[in-house]
Amino acid sequence: QVHLVESGGGVVQPGGSLRLSCAASGFTFKNYGMYWVRQAPGKGLEWVAFIRYDVNNDYYGDSVKGRFTISRDNSRNTLYLQMNSLRAEDTAVYYCARGKLEKQLWVPFDSWGQGTLVTVSS
Amino acid sequence: DIVMTQSPDSLAVSLGERATINCKSSQSLLYSSNNHNYLHWYQQKPGQPPKLLISWASTRESGVPDRFSGSGSGTDFTLTISSLQAEDVAVYYCQQSYNTPPWTFGQGTKVEIK
Repeated sequence: QVHLVESGGGVVQPGGSLRLSCAASGFTFKNYGMYWVRQAPGKGLEWVAFIRYDVNNDYYGDSVKGRFTISRDNSRNTLYLQMNSLRAEDTAVYYCARGKLEKQLWVPFDSWGQGTLVTVSS
Repeated sequence: DIVMTQSPDSLAVSLGERATINCKSSQSLLYSSNNHNYLHWYQQKPGQPPKLLISWASTRESGVPDRFSGSGSGTDFTLTISSLQAEDVAVYYCQQSYNTPPWTFGQGTKVEIK
């Protein structure tokens, strides 16, 4: 079955950088759009970034645009999120998620990892 | 951006009773070419990631109990739990995938046992 495992979270100082990874298995990774979604402590869900299955396009939420970069390695079945210039308000659990349908854009997220916690604090 | 607004923010329902959660979008989520509403519902239990419950407003995901149902069209949607069970205690989110990016979520509705 579909399995998504995030890693790379931790404590980082404001202004620092961190790279998250999401290892995917149980499906044909290269055929699916992938997402990062975050959840600040005690708060709701916020979409962060999306990358198409074919890597041709990526999109970002306004709060992270210009600071975060989503990428993927289809040969390694792995999704990444490079986070630079981190701020206290970036503190959250970061989830990777899969789009429900192959090669489709306007779909729900049908599989989620367990998440990795990023804490931005001095 | 499409704004998603859920009501209420929380509700307490007795076991076996009905729970109803509303979700309103700032613009229509109905795609006329295929007559699908691009509105989805998620359940998030404490300490767990969200789980997709219902897609395209009314299609239950595989394995989701039939006490969960979704309805609505255009800008107004409802998630109904027909007979609340203890394991349904969770926060429920609606989400739109019509005019994306961005993919936007409602603020969440916390369901508790009365």
